[in-house]
Amino acid sequence: LAKTTQPISMDSYEGQEVNITCSHNNIATNDYITWYQQFPSQGPRFIIQGYKTKVTNEVASLFIPADRKSSTLSLPRVSLSDTAVYYCLVGSRNSGNTPLVFGKGTRLSVIA
Amino acid sequence: SAVISQKPSRDICQRGTSLTIQCQVDSQVTMMFWYRQQPGQSLTLIATANQGSEATYESGFVIDKFPISRPNLTFSTLTVSNMSPEDSSIYLCSVGQGVPGNQPQHFGDGTRLSIL
Repeated sequence: LAKTTQPISMDSYEGQEVNITCSHNNIATNDYITWYQQFPSQGPRFIIQGYKTKVTNEVASLFIPADRKSSTLSLPRVSLSDTAVYYCLVGSRNSGNTPLVFGKGTRLSVIA
Repeated sequence: SAVISQKPSRDICQRGTSLTIQCQVDSQVTMMFWYRQQPGQSLTLIATANQGSEATYESGFVIDKFPISRPNLTFSTLTVSNMSPEDSSIYLCSVGQGVPGNQPQHFGDGTRLSIL
């Protein structure tokens, strides 16, 4: 499974856009990139998944360059409630049915 | 998405004792997994709970320490046996819907376990 590298932590003010970049140099051709969010005292929650280019949903956008060796999770106009740990995972598209390999994640702190 | 209930949500136990954690899903799911998250750390997969057969354990985890049951498609248990302070962690259950395609894995909110 491809290993991922993310910043350990990030700080942001409310209302700003936050971009969290994940490196996955050994990503395989069939691998997808999936991001999870974890609040304190809760289990991880799926945010977004993509294969290439750009994916957008109601929560975030995911940017994946052509070489797919990295990806960037973009959170528009963050609020205090976006304070959480964000995990980037690389693996099967059918990530719901395969064991997930979590890296260390990025701890995002949103400041008023 | 599936609703996952874990019981207990937290417990404080004496060393040498065992605790069974329950994971109940409101719909039938193909895959169920158990993870451990030590304080301030990321998640580590313990095992895949297989319905009707023995669980598949990851390296470093053994059945004698973490026996797992999965009697049907909506329920699983994880037992932490002969506990020591090093077992103090959050134990999380997750499920896969079994539908081909990018169906995400869903997690329960975990069981926070402290061993004295």
